[in-house]
Amino acid sequence: RKEVEQDPGPFNVPEGATVAFNCTYSNSASQSFFWYRQDCRKEPKLLMSVYSSGNEDGRFTAQLNRASQYISLLIRDSKLSDSATYLCVGEADSWGKLQFGAGTQVVVTP
Amino acid sequence: NAGVTQTPKFQVLKTGQSMTLQCAQDMNHNSMYWYRQDPGMGLRLIYYSASEGTTDKGEVPNGYNVSRLNKREFSLRLESAAPSQTSVYFCASSDRVIMAGELFFGEGSRLTVL
Repeated sequence: RKEVEQDPGPFNVPEGATVAFNCTYSNSASQSFFWYRQDCRKEPKLLMSVYSSGNEDGRFTAQLNRASQYISLLIRDSKLSDSATYLCVGEADSWGKLQFGAGTQVVVTP
Repeated sequence: NAGVTQTPKFQVLKTGQSMTLQCAQDMNHNSMYWYRQDPGMGLRLIYYSASEGTTDKGEVPNGYNVSRLNKREFSLRLESAAPSQTSVYFCASSDRVIMAGELFFGEGSRLTVL
């Protein structure tokens, strides 16, 4: 079983709509989680960190549910430029090695 | 700002050939990493270097070797390439003191082994 699992999608979203998707993790000891964004054929870039119960950054909201071991990402008022693959990442050990999910593809359509 | 620079960006090898992927960062980060990315698998850690002079195996180290040449440079070597090593390779660096979990990635190296 993968330590971090994501629905690969794609999630097809009309421009201006809201989209949300989850990521589940198996390591209950993980303290910190992150969402990275990866554009097609580009390198991943950090979108936001998720500590304690969640985090909000503009149109992006991440929430952490430790009881059910999942992290969610919600994108409001979707823009065409939000089209990308979103990688869910958890800290794999106390040193801070990261465990990446395979990613959820989001396609925002006009 | 260059950030993390990887070379080469593309490479085609025949089975059994060797090659070295080069990586350099100019952010004065202590930690550096090599990942591979395959469809449906996510990024998998090959090797990492927590600081200059140290290297450790990650999740998928078999068939690879690394050298932390100095604080800036971290190279990945394939001694005898196999088709299973066809992948996109990313080098990354981080400064966990300032921001745990924030990795800065290079643009990737696309390797095909025939």
